[in-house]
Formats: sequence, C-alpha cells, structure tokens
Amino acid sequence: QVQVVQSGAEVKKPGASVKVSCTTSGYTFIRYYMHWVRQAPGQGLEWMGLINPSGGTTKYAQKLQDRVTMTRDTSTNTVYMELSALRSEDTAVYYCAREGFCSGDTCSFQFWGQGTLVTV
Amino acid sequence: QSALTQPASVSGSPGQSITISCTGTTSDVGGYNHVSWYQLHPGKGPQLIIFDVNKRPSGDSNRFSGSKSGNTASLTISGLQAEDEADYYCSSYTTSRSYVFGSGTKVTVL
Repeated sequence: QVQVVQSGAEVKKPGASVKVSCTTSGYTFIRYYMHWVRQAPGQGLEWMGLINPSGGTTKYAQKLQDRVTMTRDTSTNTVYMELSALRSEDTAVYYCAREGFCSGDTCSFQFWGQGTLVTV
Repeated sequence: QSALTQPASVSGSPGQSITISCTGTTSDVGGYNHVSWYQLHPGKGPQLIIFDVNKRPSGDSNRFSGSKSGNTASLTISGLQAEDEADYYCSSYTTSRSYVFGSGTKVTVL
C-alpha cells in the first residue's frame, strides 16, 4: 500500500532555512508528481508547488518561488522541500501529497503525509 | 492567486443534508472540470473525498456528492452524521498551471 512519511517537527529562528523530507513506498516513485501544501495556525490550506520525481522539474506558487526549493532523491524515493529566509508567517504544518486520479494535466492530491510542524 | 471563496461555517442536524459552495473564476473553477474536495479532522491530515467535480474515490461514502455550475462548485453531505464534523476545503487547477484551495468551511453537526 502507498505510504508517505514525513520528517519530524522543526523549530527555526527567523532568517534561517528548513528542509522537510517526504519518504514514499508502495508505488513507482517516478510515476507520480508530489505536491507540497501548508496550513498556518487557524488558516486554510495553501498550495506551495510540485515536483516531478522523474526529471526533477518543479513548479512553485508565485508568492514562494524566491524562497522555496523542491528536490528529490530517486535512490531513496524521497522528496524534499526547503524554505529559506524564514519568517514568523511561515509557521505552519507542511504536508507532502502524492497526486492521483488524474485527468490529462490535472490531478487530485490522493495520498498525504502526516504533516510536519515548522515553528519559526 | 486568491483563495476560492467558501462559507466560513455550515451546520446541520443529524440526518439532514447540507451544501458547501466554492466560488472561483473562469481561470480556475469555471475553466476546468477539475474540482476536488478534502476533509480535515483536527490533528489529522487531509483526506480526498471528491475529485473531478463529482467523482468519489472507490469505497468512500456515497453520502458525499459534488457538482458544478459556472464558476461555483458545491459539496453536498447527505444524512449528516457526527463523524462528518470537520473542516472542508475545495481545490481547483488554474490557468497558471498551479492549484488553489478554498478558504475552508467548518461543518458543525448540531
């Protein structure tokens, strides 16, 4: 069965960077894009971007594109999300979500990690 | 990309039906037959309950149904149960080749 497991909680100072990992199993890693979504306390879900594990290409949300970097390691079936120049507004639970139920270029977020709390 | 507009809260009694709206623009909801809905219980990760406007993942409850008209999508929960009390978010693909979520709706079972 598909499993998506994220790294543990982080506490960072303003201006620092954080790198969250998302390790997958139970499917062919390079066949499905992985997305990152975050939820700040008391706020809604925010789509951050995606990575194609096959070639490593990425697409970032416009408001984060100067600070976010998504990478992958095909040897360990792991994707990473690094956010730099952290500020208090970045305090949130960060989720990775594997796509599924795709129609053409559009997909839903079918399998979610357990979430990683990042506190700035 | 601005969040899609959802009502902040919706409530209903057990057994009733409720509907949550999700309003966007022609650049997102109105432009694609790709609206998904997610359920979030406190302390738990999101769960996909509807995809492609009105399709349910296999095995999921048929009490959840979706529809769309123009720039507004809707999620209906029939036969409301206590376990349905949660936050619900819609999501759409956009013309920017990105995704956008709704502002979220808290469902309360009275």
